[in-house]
Amino acid sequence: NAGVTQTPKFQVLKTGQSMTLQCAQDMNHEYMSWYRQDPGMGLRLIHYSVGAGITDQGEVPNGYNVSRSTTEDFPLRLLSAAPSQTSVYFCASSLHDREGGTGELFFGEGSRLTVL
Amino acid sequence: AQSVTQLGSHVSVSEGALVLLRCNYSSSVPPYLFWYVQYPNQGLQLLLKYTTGATLVKGINGFEAEFKKSETSFHLTKPSAHMSDAAEYFCAVNFGNEKLTFGTGTRLTIIP
Repeated sequence: NAGVTQTPKFQVLKTGQSMTLQCAQDMNHEYMSWYRQDPGMGLRLIHYSVGAGITDQGEVPNGYNVSRSTTEDFPLRLLSAAPSQTSVYFCASSLHDREGGTGELFFGEGSRLTVL
Repeated sequence: AQSVTQLGSHVSVSEGALVLLRCNYSSSVPPYLFWYVQYPNQGLQLLLKYTTGATLVKGINGFEAEFKKSETSFHLTKPSAHMSDAAEYFCAVNFGNEKLTFGTGTRLTIIP
């Protein structure tokens, strides 16, 4: 099983450039999410989706865009990269527990982004 | 406001000693509680979780955690540390919505 696959693993951007981080899962999970991990701050939720065609904002959504056209894919777009977006990004998916929110999250291996 | 607090960003224990990593949360409703582990250059993986029922939860690799509602805590323990336990550990809480909120993490170092 591939699980959650993120690409690319590493990326360097210049300020103002745009890019898309790809995330795909093969577990038929309804719920998908993007987190960023920064030293001393843990993981912070950027955007999430409870199913195809449905997305919502998390804790730190500014500067990021998402879409969910299929159950499998949940790309994260940086519209105009800024140095403050230098971080490690994780995509995660789970079954959607409608009574309790998210179930167990399955994480990808991360994408390390540097913005110069 | 709902929040998750992990006391101690770095914890060091000797091999064979007790591991205790602390997690407290603030919420007026019973939450779902999780502990995740992250090894270097990897994603997070689930150690254990509490949703309902028995408040002492056993997870993988000999870890366990106890949900104490009166103390709003979910501390992670392991009776005897192993070198392979060196990693970063995250407490996470679902407050009954679509979002999982993570603590800031505790880096565990094992001293030979």
